[in-house]
Amino acid sequence: GIQVEQSPPDLILQEGANSTLRCNFSDSVNNLQWFHQNPWGQLINLFYIPSGTKQNGRLSATTVATERYSLLYISSSQTTDSGVYFCAVSGGGADGLTFGKGTHLIIQP
Amino acid sequence: EAGVAQSPRYKIIEKRQSVAFWCNPISGHATLYWYQQILGQGPKLLIQFQNNGVVDDSQLPKDRFSAERLKGVDSTLKIQPAKLEDSAVYLCASSFSLMQQFFGPGTRLTVL
Repeated sequence: GIQVEQSPPDLILQEGANSTLRCNFSDSVNNLQWFHQNPWGQLINLFYIPSGTKQNGRLSATTVATERYSLLYISSSQTTDSGVYFCAVSGGGADGLTFGKGTHLIIQP
Repeated sequence: EAGVAQSPRYKIIEKRQSVAFWCNPISGHATLYWYQQILGQGPKLLIQFQNNGVVDDSQLPKDRFSAERLKGVDSTLKIQPAKLEDSAVYLCASSFSLMQQFFGPGTRLTVL
């Protein structure tokens, strides 16, 4: 199956800082999603982005499918951005998502 | 639009007991998924339904886990008998046309 690697595993930033989270995947994908898991465990959809670039407020994402990676950008971080960010993909005829191990982000006031 | 609903939110049982979880997907979503998330890890797919048929159950431990979606809407996931290593959050997700998946709040299971 597809392998998903996320980096960095942990990230501690001050409020107001910018960050870039990376997701590498091992094969062609037809679905790539970024999620934020809040402290209560809810997975919140950020982007559905199998290719291209999207922006939503302070967040943006880019997927370069031909090079098998995706980036999530967070600008002007707020304490509410803290949590675990997951990249998840599907491909090769499978529809269920394969998740990376996540990036644990802590934004300090 | 209502999101994916799951119940119960929390469940504590002893090993070798049975437990069942319920999921109601977003209205109109034909595809339903169950995932298991062990503490500190990303979710792992257990089973995928398309309407009321199973599409993928390759990672479902079939000796103890079972799932059904009888009328193509609600779904139930059962564990019988439970083991200590089944302690996890069980997440239900649904999607329209096999695209973006939306997740419910999960059921946190503790097996003692």
